Amino acid sequence: AQSVTQLDSQVPVFEEAPVELRCNYSSSVSVYLFWYVQYPNQGLQLLLKYLSGSTLVKGINGFEAEFNKSQTSFHLRKPSVHISDTAEYFCAVSVGQKLVFGTGTRLLVSP
Amino acid sequence: DGGITQSPKYLFRKEGQNVTLSCEQNLNHDAMYWYRQDPGQGLRLIYYSQIVNDFQKGDIAEGYSVSREKKESFPLTVTSAQKNPTAFYLCASKGDHSNQPQHFGDGTRLSIL
Repeated sequence: AQSVTQLDSQVPVFEEAPVELRCNYSSSVSVYLFWYVQYPNQGLQLLLKYLSGSTLVKGINGFEAEFNKSQTSFHLRKPSVHISDTAEYFCAVSVGQKLVFGTGTRLLVSP
Repeated sequence: DGGITQSPKYLFRKEGQNVTLSCEQNLNHDAMYWYRQDPGQGLRLIYYSQIVNDFQKGDIAEGYSVSREKKESFPLTVTSAQKNPTAFYLCASKGDHSNQPQHFGDGTRLSIL
């Protein structure tokens, strides 16, 4: 069965510092990968997606992610975070018509 | 604007009572989903539907029921058999191809009185 691992449950970082949120997946077939962001008491908003082609994917709010097939990873990065980036971030892999989610990483940005 | 509307935002249930959460979409999507979110556990799939009048159980369907009589609507009923219903419930929809992302509503928070 396909699975997604987000090893860091919480990542504290100072404003304007770079950040990387890690995501690893298990799959023996081609995958579609997604990162979502969730602000408190809201639904999930799509940040970016990897379908095929270039392994570096750019998303909204200055985020980007790199697909690494050999390491089965899809880490999310931002070169300089803002206070407003404080939220929970979910990595997901497509399995047919369903999504399998990681358990999420809470990004805490402090001044 | 196209999107997914969940109502109500907050819902309270008494012991032994069934409650129904509403989910409506105007994105013309065939597939719709219900998830349950608990702290530290991510999203878990309750039920999903790929077409009108058809739906499948997800990973945690016990104590829940759904219907899909219209393409736009996918209501979720939390029955009295669900012993721990307090959670944040999210509805989503997506287009036909597996590479299309799911679009989410703003959720319903259910609490027990």
